[in-house]
Amino acid sequence: GAVVSQHPSRVICKSGTSVKIECRSLDFQATTMFWYRQFPKKSLMLMATSNEGSKATYEQGVEKDKFLINHASLTLSTLTVTSAHPEDSSFYICSASTSGLYEQYFGPGTRLTVT
Amino acid sequence: AQTVTQSQPEMSVQEAETVTLSCTYDTSESDYYLFWYKQPPSRQMILVIRQEAYKQQNATENRFSVNFQKAAKSFSLKISDSQLGDAAMYFCAYRSATSGTYKYIFGTGTRLKVLA
Repeated sequence: GAVVSQHPSRVICKSGTSVKIECRSLDFQATTMFWYRQFPKKSLMLMATSNEGSKATYEQGVEKDKFLINHASLTLSTLTVTSAHPEDSSFYICSASTSGLYEQYFGPGTRLTVT
Repeated sequence: AQTVTQSQPEMSVQEAETVTLSCTYDTSESDYYLFWYKQPPSRQMILVIRQEAYKQQNATENRFSVNFQKAAKSFSLKISDSQLGDAAMYFCAYRSATSGTYKYIFGTGTRLKVLA
């Protein structure tokens, strides 16, 4: 099956700093990538959808200036959490899909802790 | 707007037995896809099975099968011969086939415990 990687798997940062999370599709070209946030014992909450070469579409309530998403190539999308605060601590998951695939393939997730 | 409901927050099954996880959804669309994903403690989301709405035949993948009832908007997952490795959170997901986006609508999940 299609493989999606995420880096880093865990990151700790200080309040007020920014942190970047990378999502890569390793064996297919991802025309669309998704970023989710997951709280403990909860479902995945879609933050934004990004299409290669165009601006991301953010879900209602997600601050686009705080969660910067870039999808510059068909294999890489990045999520930058700017001026992170403790309430941004969470598990962030990316997924990827492409035309011809019905399903999304998920990365292993990134645990972000803001101290 | 579409919604997905998983009414069982938690289920338990004895090893080697069969368990069914329920999922209902609401949509006005006629063409869509449905999925079951497994999220073990590692938190890696794994696709278990998918169903195209236009197909009447229920999807099967080894020990996993679905009961897709389009009129009732029901999409349950049956796990046969349950194994300890099946213990995980299971999420049901809906995706429109016509909206132009591949966005999923997820249910709230069912935690499956497998008892030895």
